[in-house]
Amino acid sequence: NAGVTQTPKFQVLKTGQSMTLQCAQDMNHEYMSWYRQDPGMGLRLIHYSVGAGITDQGEVPNGYNVSRSTTEDFPLRLLSAAPSQTSVYFCASSYSRWGANQPQHFGDGTRLSIL
Amino acid sequence: GIQVEQSPPDLILQEGANSTLRCNFSDSVNNLQWFHQNPWGQLINLFYIPSGTKQNGRLSATTVATERYSLLYISSSQTTDSGVYFCAVGNQAGTALIFGKGTTLSVSS
Repeated sequence: NAGVTQTPKFQVLKTGQSMTLQCAQDMNHEYMSWYRQDPGMGLRLIHYSVGAGITDQGEVPNGYNVSRSTTEDFPLRLLSAAPSQTSVYFCASSYSRWGANQPQHFGDGTRLSIL
Repeated sequence: GIQVEQSPPDLILQEGANSTLRCNFSDSVNNLQWFHQNPWGQLINLFYIPSGTKQNGRLSATTVATERYSLLYISSSQTTDSGVYFCAVGNQAGTALIFGKGTTLSVSS
């Protein structure tokens, strides 16, 4: 099992560009989520999904879109990148749809810089 | 919402020393997890511990849910223990983990 795989590992964008951060898991987990990590802030939840076709907002959803067409994949889209979105992004998954009450498995992160 | 506070924010140790990291949370929670973020940025799940005590090698954790705190013990620290330790609790709906700001541990040889 590869676990949770995030691509790319690093990305530099210009303000206004759009891009998609990819996340895939091969553990048949129902719950998937995206966090951003900023210095001194810990991790904050952007969006989450409790199963294919079901997504919802977390604490900091503005500027991001998600979709969940399959159990395995949960891409995060930046619609129009802004410097405030410079951060490290983590994808996580867990077995049941009440994912926060289960052990979380994290990907290795994507470091994103917006110029 | 639930608040999670970790202390101390920074900790510097010599190799071989023991340490205790604390996590306080403001409301009753269904679960609590400890993570280690290594110097390469990877997040490793150390413990899933909604209550009670667990041990894994030199690390152990205790959660006293009724008093709203958890402790992470690191014994005989090694340089590879360096990094940031995060405590995270699940909200009541089970839809989100709320993270503390972390404790940065530096272990020198």
